[in-house]
Amino acid sequence: AQTVTQSQPEMSVQEAETVTLSCTYDTSENNYYLFWYKQPPSRQMILVIRQEAYKQQNATENRFSVNFQKAAKSFSLKISDSQLGDTAMYFCAFIITGFGNEKLTFGTGTRLTIIP
Amino acid sequence: EAQVTQNPRYLITVTGKKLTVTCSQNMNHEYMSWYRQDPGLGLRQIYYSMNVEVTDKGDVPEGYKVSRKEKRNFPLILESPSPNQTSLYFCASSQTSGRAGSTDTQYFGPGTRLTVL
Repeated sequence: AQTVTQSQPEMSVQEAETVTLSCTYDTSENNYYLFWYKQPPSRQMILVIRQEAYKQQNATENRFSVNFQKAAKSFSLKISDSQLGDTAMYFCAFIITGFGNEKLTFGTGTRLTIIP
Repeated sequence: EAQVTQNPRYLITVTGKKLTVTCSQNMNHEYMSWYRQDPGLGLRQIYYSMNVEVTDKGDVPEGYKVSRKEKRNFPLILESPSPNQTSLYFCASSQTSGRAGSTDTQYFGPGTRLTVL
């Protein structure tokens, strides 16, 4: 079975600091993509970053970067220079590709609060 | 503007009263999907559709129906809602090739908060 585990239900950090959200996943498939989604209080699901499993290079998007450890099945998100607008629920997810149903399998989320 | 729309955004109803949540996308996407979000459980897939007239069950399909008569629309139907279907519902769409090693970004609608009394 495909599973995603986010072991930190809640985190808080001071504005401008760096924070890392952890995520581990389990799958026996080789072709998959990993994602981090952000859900602010508006409840909109916003894609933060994506990583192709076949790429060794870690993805980066401005202040957001990942540490992808394929052998360990770990996919953590680092937010640098955190801002008040980063306050949100963050979900780790992945898609197994090639089977038609591109279902996103989500973790249970980490609620991140940026403290002014 | 590329977007996925859902209606209604909020709905309070009573047990057994049939309801439909609409979902529409303007990106000509082939793939569409419904998820429900519950505290402590993340998002779970209800149904998905790979193209017009092609639908299939996700992980939690019980109590739901869908249809895909047009490419842009993918309504979620609750024939006889029950309180355990109180949840936040999301529609998503993407353009997908279905090939291993390839996927497109999924775009999410704004969500529908459903309460069944």
